[in-house]
Amino acid sequence: AQSVTQPDIHITVSEGASLELRCNYSYGATPYLFWYVQSPGQGLQLLLKYFSGDTLVQGIKGFEAEFKRSQSSFNLRKPSVHWSDAAEYFCAVGAGGNKLVFGAGTILRVKS
Amino acid sequence: DGGITQSPKYLFRKEGQNVTLSCEQNLNHDAMYWYRQDPGQGLRLIYYSQIVNDFQKGDIAEGYSVSREKKESFPLTVTSAQKNPTAFYLCASSINVLDNYGYTFGSGTRLTVV
Repeated sequence: AQSVTQPDIHITVSEGASLELRCNYSYGATPYLFWYVQSPGQGLQLLLKYFSGDTLVQGIKGFEAEFKRSQSSFNLRKPSVHWSDAAEYFCAVGAGGNKLVFGAGTILRVKS
Repeated sequence: DGGITQSPKYLFRKEGQNVTLSCEQNLNHDAMYWYRQDPGQGLRLIYYSQIVNDFQKGDIAEGYSVSREKKESFPLTVTSAQKNPTAFYLCASSINVLDNYGYTFGSGTRLTVV
């Protein structure tokens, strides 16, 4: 069965520092991969997605992610974090039939 | 503007009661989904519907029921059989094109058992 692992429950970074959120997936075929962001008490907003092609994907708000098949990873990165990036981030994999399987999430705290 | 509306935003339920969470979309999407979110567990699929008058169980359907009588609406009932219903519930919709995954999420309903 498809699964997603986000090893870090919480991450704290200083404003202006770089960020990397880790995501590992388990899926037999070429995966469809996603990163979402959620502000407290709100729904999820899509940051970026990978379906095929270039393994480095650009998203909104200055985020990017790199698909590495050999490592079964799809890590999210941002070169310089802003205080407004504090939120919870979810990695997800397409499980067929348009269903998504989500990781447990990583809560990002930004310190000034 | 098109979107998904979930109501109410906060809901309190007494033990033994059934409650119904509303989800309405005006995006003309065929598929709709209900997810449950608990701290540290991410989102887990409760039920989904790919077309009117049809729906399937997700990973944690026990204690929940749904209906899909209209394309725009996909209400979720949390029954008294759900032993731990306190959670944040998210509804989503997408067009029903294979491997599209173009989800739009609602803002959620927080259910608390009192």
